[in-house]
Amino acid sequence: QVQLQQWGAGLLKPSETLSLTCAVSGGSFNGYYWSWIRQPPGKGLEWIGEINHSGSTNYNPSLKSRVTISVDTSKDQFSLKLRSVTAADTGVYYCARELGTGRAARPDYFDYWGQGTLVTVSS
Amino acid sequence: SYVLTQPPSVAVAPGQTARIACGGNNIGTKGVHWYQQKPGQAPVLVVYDDSDRPSGIPERFSGSKSGNTATLTISRVEAGDEADYYCQVWDGSSDHNWVFGGGTKLTVL
Repeated sequence: QVQLQQWGAGLLKPSETLSLTCAVSGGSFNGYYWSWIRQPPGKGLEWIGEINHSGSTNYNPSLKSRVTISVDTSKDQFSLKLRSVTAADTGVYYCARELGTGRAARPDYFDYWGQGTLVTVSS
Repeated sequence: SYVLTQPPSVAVAPGQTARIACGGNNIGTKGVHWYQQKPGQAPVLVVYDDSDRPSGIPERFSGSKSGNTATLTISRVEAGDEADYYCQVWDGSSDHNWVFGGGTKLTVL
């Protein structure tokens, strides 16, 4: 059974850098794309970005200037950094594995999710 | 960018059938996926590729599509089905590729 275990700082001040890591166990790390998704309090889901085992990344255009996603294949982990956070970045952050139906010639849904990390940005 | 529209809420009595709609332009050309999210928990995939169920998801959960609307149907609703439900597609025609609907709160009366 694939498991995604995530961790990172939960309380930040404005202008600081959010840093989260997600460790994958129980399945192959290579050959998949891995995503970060967030959810503001009481609101819906927003995709942040993705990375594969080779380090190829794609980001949400609205966050691209502040986001870096990296991978450590020796540990089957991937990480998120979001710079210059504000209160609008407060929410629960999830890591997730991508899988494909074959329609889009690339992964197009999420089959496993991490447990979520609540990040609060407050002065 | 592509938009998926869901009703904010749906209410149904136990044992009845709940139908949650997800509207989007030309949604018939895209794979539609559904997630269930209970309070304080991560989303769980309940239907993928319009109508397929992951292992472990009860047969009471089913998906369909017609015209510009995809529908998640939950038969014989139970109290434990009360949750937020999100539809999702991958849209290759815009920069915002991963698109989620706004979510529907299912209330079991």
